[in-house]
Amino acid sequence: SQQGEEDPQALSIQEGENATMNCSYKTSINNLQWYRQNSGRGLVHLILIRSNEREKHSGRLRVTLDTSKKSSSLLITASRAADTASYFCATVASLMETSGSRLTFGEGTQLTVNP
Amino acid sequence: DTGVSQDPRHKITKRGQNVTFRCDPISEHNRLYWYRQTLGQGPEFLTYFQNEAQLEKSRLLSDRFSAERPKGSFSTLEIQRTEQGDSAMYLCASSFGYGYTFGSGTRLTVV
Repeated sequence: SQQGEEDPQALSIQEGENATMNCSYKTSINNLQWYRQNSGRGLVHLILIRSNEREKHSGRLRVTLDTSKKSSSLLITASRAADTASYFCATVASLMETSGSRLTFGEGTQLTVNP
Repeated sequence: DTGVSQDPRHKITKRGQNVTFRCDPISEHNRLYWYRQTLGQGPEFLTYFQNEAQLEKSRLLSDRFSAERPKGSFSTLEIQRTEQGDSAMYLCASSFGYGYTFGSGTRLTVV
């Protein structure tokens, strides 16, 4: 079963604008990760944030994590047409002895960046 | 060896036929995962291996599905007596710690 929901399901913006995607999850986590998927392709790891971290940056990406609300957000600044893809959050449960560190994915946000 | 390889990339099969997919993980990675993804959805966990041991199987993995990872290297996923509902992208990933790497997937179409 899916971990939770991502919001919005679809987002369309102009090049240069910022894009914000949100993710909610249900269980206690060890870490949360964001992935990108171009149409019909595999997933590419973007960034990992641990449960004891609140914010993390990587290039144009900024991820926040609020464990009290069981939510995370991904901000892409100064978006480019090449950022057009589906973005997924995925969690690793804190009870690793039962989850085996497998990833549990959300439904994803389809981002379209118009030139 | 720079990534996770999956073969074939695409498979079209008739309902009732058996299919087998292969995944070659990154050689240093001891964990290997199979996921299934249908159009517009996030990937769903199917099963995972630590070395050659299959440690967890999802409820989604019916008796028609079987996975192996002999010698803890490559893995195969077999679907017997395919059904139209099996049509999906099958993704393989490998990891060491929390560094997951996904393959490009095998897209299965059952007609």
